Amino acid sequence: DTGVSQDPRHKITKRGQNVTFRCDPISEHNRLYWYRQTLGQGPEFLTYFQNEAQLEKSRLLSDRFSAERPKGSFSTLEIQRTEQGDSAMYLCASSPRAGGEQYFGPGTRLTVT
Amino acid sequence: EDKVVQSPLSLVVHEGDTVTLNCSYEVTNFRSLLWYKQEKKAPTFLFMLTSSGIEKKSGRLSSILDKKELFSILNITATQTGDSAVYLCAVSTTSGTYKYIFGTGTRLKVLA
Repeated sequence: DTGVSQDPRHKITKRGQNVTFRCDPISEHNRLYWYRQTLGQGPEFLTYFQNEAQLEKSRLLSDRFSAERPKGSFSTLEIQRTEQGDSAMYLCASSPRAGGEQYFGPGTRLTVT
Repeated sequence: EDKVVQSPLSLVVHEGDTVTLNCSYEVTNFRSLLWYKQEKKAPTFLFMLTSSGIEKKSGRLSSILDKKELFSILNITATQTGDSAVYLCAVSTTSGTYKYIFGTGTRLKVLA
């Protein structure tokens, strides 16, 4: 299966710790998105990469969040000094073209205690 | 502010029923509307719509877009218990942003 993969699938951390998630998109997709989803809500946009360039970042994203896609392939999302409000499912998606269908990974469920 | 509103929020039907899910949107410079199915995991892509009045169909699922009235519907005929999921609608625009705006979803439960 050459779909989008994410690692880890689950992460439990204590408040104040840093966490890093990885996303491997579909190899021929140059567009990569990170979303956050909480219970009963649709995915909320966090950031967008086209190849290695981070072209958009949500205004809602605090300075504790940073993302990279160093070689235009996999991407990482880091959350520093985690807070309980960061508990959510973090989804990664890739797309072959602007406005086109997105293919989602299985997500990383973060629990901050 | 761009927004996507789905209705109903939840729906319970019996196997064999036909359901219609609604998605309305208010965005600047519409590009496309997408439907996803989300079970207990990540959303899976169903349809992408860009043109008004052209129905997309896949098995028992179909969808159509009305760009004049700014809405789309997703129909599921002869529902099965495996159709139980959250159905998400998302819209993309060409107004200087790359993001997709998602609705909160419609939770469908199909009873045997």
